Amino acid sequence: DQQVKQNSPSLSVQEGRISILNCDYTNSMFDYFLWYKKYPAEGPTFLISISSIKDKNEDGRFTVFLNKSAKHLSLHIVPSQPGDSAVYFCAASALISGTYKYIFGTGTRLKVLA
Amino acid sequence: NAGVTQTPKFRILKIGQSMTLQCTQDMNHNYMYWYRQDPGMGLKLIYYSVGAGITDKGEVPNGYNVSRSTTEDFPLRLELAAPSQTSVYFCASSDRGGGQPQHFGDGTRLSIL
Repeated sequence: DQQVKQNSPSLSVQEGRISILNCDYTNSMFDYFLWYKKYPAEGPTFLISISSIKDKNEDGRFTVFLNKSAKHLSLHIVPSQPGDSAVYFCAASALISGTYKYIFGTGTRLKVLA
Repeated sequence: NAGVTQTPKFRILKIGQSMTLQCTQDMNHNYMYWYRQDPGMGLKLIYYSVGAGITDKGEVPNGYNVSRSTTEDFPLRLELAAPSQTSVYFCASSDRGGGQPQHFGDGTRLSIL
C-alpha cells in the first residue's frame, strides 16, 4: 500500500521551459510535504516544503502547489536548467505515536535538455 | 561543515557475515534515521531515533539493529547478511520532525553475495 505515489518515473523538458513533477498521496493525516533532489552517488538534498494548511510555497525558481481535496501536490521549476537534471522525491510526514514519520515516493527522473 | 557522514561508501559482504554501517552528524540534531533504497523504489525507513538512548523501528527493521549512545552517532548493524539486504543505505538527521528537512549522507552501497 503505497501512501505516496509519483506515477511518472521520468520526464524530459527543454531548457528554459517549465518542469512539472507530480505527487499523489492517500493519507489525509499527512501535515507536511517535502521535495528532495538527488544526484547520482549522492544523498537526497532538501528542496522545498509545504505545510498542509497552505496551498502554495515558492522559493526562487521552485514552487510547490498543494491540492488537499485531490490529495495531490506538484513541484514547478521555472525556468528549467540543465543542472536541474536529477531524481526528485516527494515525501510526506505525519505525527504517528508521538513521532514524525516520513513516507517517500519512488521518485521522478527529470532530464533537462540543453 | 561536514553535515552527515556515512562510512563506508561501498562494501561487498558474503552471506552470513556481519557489519556495521557508520553514521555521524555534526549539526547537533536530535532526530536520526536509517533508510534503504532499492532500485526503482523510494526510501524505506529501517530505524529512527529521536535522541540519545532512544531508538524505534521503522517500516523494514528485520535483520538490522541500531544504537544511539551519543547525539552524533547512529550506527546500523547487520548481523547475518542476506542477499535481500543488498541495497543503498542512507542515514539522515533533522532538528525535529514535521516540516523540518532531513539532511542526508551520501549513502553506503552494500552488496551481499
